[in-house]
Amino acid sequence: GENVEQHPSTLSVQEGDSAVIKCTYSDSASNYFPWYKQELGKGPQLIIDIRSNVGEKKDQRIAVTLNKTAKHFSLHITETQPEDSAVYFCAAIRFQKLVFGTGTRLLVSP
Amino acid sequence: KAGVTQTPRYLIKTRGQQVTLSCSPISGHRSVSWYQQTPGQGLQFLFEYFSETQRNKGNFPGRFSGRQFSNSRSEMNVSTLELGDSALYLCASGDQGQGANNEQFFGPGTRLTVL
Repeated sequence: GENVEQHPSTLSVQEGDSAVIKCTYSDSASNYFPWYKQELGKGPQLIIDIRSNVGEKKDQRIAVTLNKTAKHFSLHITETQPEDSAVYFCAAIRFQKLVFGTGTRLLVSP
Repeated sequence: KAGVTQTPRYLIKTRGQQVTLSCSPISGHRSVSWYQQTPGQGLQFLFEYFSETQRNKGNFPGRFSGRQFSNSRSEMNVSTLELGDSALYLCASGDQGQGANNEQFFGPGTRLTVL
């Protein structure tokens, strides 16, 4: 089945720096890749997604890139702020199931 | 629109008991998926319901079951609880289900503790 690997598991940056989280997937048939942000005590919040017919998508300070050939996709956060601190999950759709990465804990220090 | 709601938010049970969790999806959404989140295993898919039918199932034992009502509200049940069932149970709703290109929106979860 699908397997999604996510790196790094923890990421510490200074406010204003950029943060990059990378994921790889195993099934070339996967064609939808969402990213979720989970804050303490809350459910995951969809922050951006990308479909397999698109190489890049941006939404203000957040961008996602997809390389179908290499089967990897990345989340880029620019001008990080303390409120960006959370756990971020990537995911891929396989046979109508969301398969999640293991999560990245992002800490943005003022 | 109101978001996904889950009740109860916290639950404490003892081994051997059973538990029922409830999820109300976003108005108009017909798909409800359930996930188990633990520190060790991460987010794992339990099952998905669409228009009252279980459309997809993850790799969990038969003690985990669910159903969906005509108003799209869903319940999941865990029987004969084990210590390892302690987890955050998350519900996600979508307008068309988990097929390609369909967004899933999560509720706040139910924190289940089994003693």
